[in-house]
Amino acid sequence: EIVLTQSPATLSLSPGERATLSCRASQSVSSYLAWYQQKPGQAPRLLIYDASNRATGIPARFSGSGSGTDFTLTISSLEPEDFAVYYCQQRSNWPLWTFGQGTKVEIK
Amino acid sequence: EVQLVESGGGLVQPGGSLRLSCAASGFTFSSYEMNWVRQAPGKGLEWVSYISSSGSTIYYADSVKGRFTISRDNAKNSLYLQMNSLRAEDTAVYYCAREKLVGDAFDIWGQGTMVTVSS
Repeated sequence: EIVLTQSPATLSLSPGERATLSCRASQSVSSYLAWYQQKPGQAPRLLIYDASNRATGIPARFSGSGSGTDFTLTISSLEPEDFAVYYCQQRSNWPLWTFGQGTKVEIK
Repeated sequence: EVQLVESGGGLVQPGGSLRLSCAASGFTFSSYEMNWVRQAPGKGLEWVSYISSSGSTIYYADSVKGRFTISRDNAKNSLYLQMNSLRAEDTAVYYCAREKLVGDAFDIWGQGTMVTVSS
């Protein structure tokens, strides 16, 4: 079973700063990794799929990188609406889908 | 507009049953693989179940295997989750989610429906 570990648990930053979120897999997942943003009371929203492809309508300040076991979501310059919880997700043989535990990006 | 709308949540006693529905619109439902994902209060996301576009392939998380049943009706553009033998730990918001046709991710999510298991 593949486990996804996200770090840090909480990231305290100011608007305009750069955010770097990490997701580490317990074994290689190739490039099959996605990132989601979730705000309170809302469903998750797909940001990045296949490690580095932005989903439709996602601003260019969001970027994803990595392969194998180490992945990064970067927000180049935080906007007020970017303060939220971010989850990584991967597909494997079993369980079919796994999520990381989440990173909360909060206003400093 | 591409949309998923869940319904059927509510309060149920331990050991009880509930059937969730997810109505799809704005896209060719029969072409897409679908999933249920849940989120306990204040917790992270947990994948629950998967069904292929035809309904011929189904998977469950170990935590619900033998108690939950996923199904779909492509003629009605609907996804279902029959939940039996409910436990307190099944309390969560349940989301239906569409898999991308190309790329491993869930690109469309419903707004969620709350299931509370309590006496």
